[in-house]
Amino acid sequence: GAVVSQHPSRVICKSGTSVKIECRSLDFQATTMFWYRQFPKQSLMLMATSNEGSKATYEQGVEKDKFLINHASLTLSTLTVTSAHPEDSSFYICSARSTGRLNTEAFFGQGTRLTVV
Amino acid sequence: GESVGLHLPTLSVQEGDNSIINCAYSNSASDYFIWYKQESGKGPQFIIDIRSNMDKRQGQRVTVLLNKTVKHLSLQIAATQPGDSAVYFCAETANDYKLSFGAGTTVTVRA
Repeated sequence: GAVVSQHPSRVICKSGTSVKIECRSLDFQATTMFWYRQFPKQSLMLMATSNEGSKATYEQGVEKDKFLINHASLTLSTLTVTSAHPEDSSFYICSARSTGRLNTEAFFGQGTRLTVV
Repeated sequence: GESVGLHLPTLSVQEGDNSIINCAYSNSASDYFIWYKQESGKGPQFIIDIRSNMDKRQGQRVTVLLNKTVKHLSLQIAATQPGDSAVYFCAETANDYKLSFGAGTTVTVRA
């Protein structure tokens, strides 16, 4: 299957700093990428939909100024957590769907464990 | 709002037995469903999918059943193995857009 690479897999940062997470589709082009957040023993909650060349669409309750998303190419989307606080500590996961293919599964990255201290 | 949910949060199964994981969805417009497996500390892994014009689909050791009348989805795993221990999520989408995930079922395989 298609490969989505997410980097870094783990990051620890201090409160008030910013962290950037990258999501790359390695062997296919992805017009649309999705960013999820997952707290322990909970399901994946969609944060935003990232569209190449346009502004991301954020889900209700997600602060767009805090979670900056950039989708500059068909193979790369980035999520920047700005001014991180301990409550932002979570597992962040991206996914991508292949361009031009309808009703296909989304491929997921391996996730990024963010710990804010 | 409408969402996808799971009936049981945990499932303990004896190695070699069959597992059945259930999922209820409420969005009648959903037309594509996927089962994912997530191991600890990893991203979801695709298991099997089914479109709304089907009611059954089989893969290797897995079968997905879709009952649109009652908006119910199930995943059957045959001859469950220790490596099947994980959290299983169903996900649905309408009009080929974003996925909505259910709460997840933790499957534990007993040796």
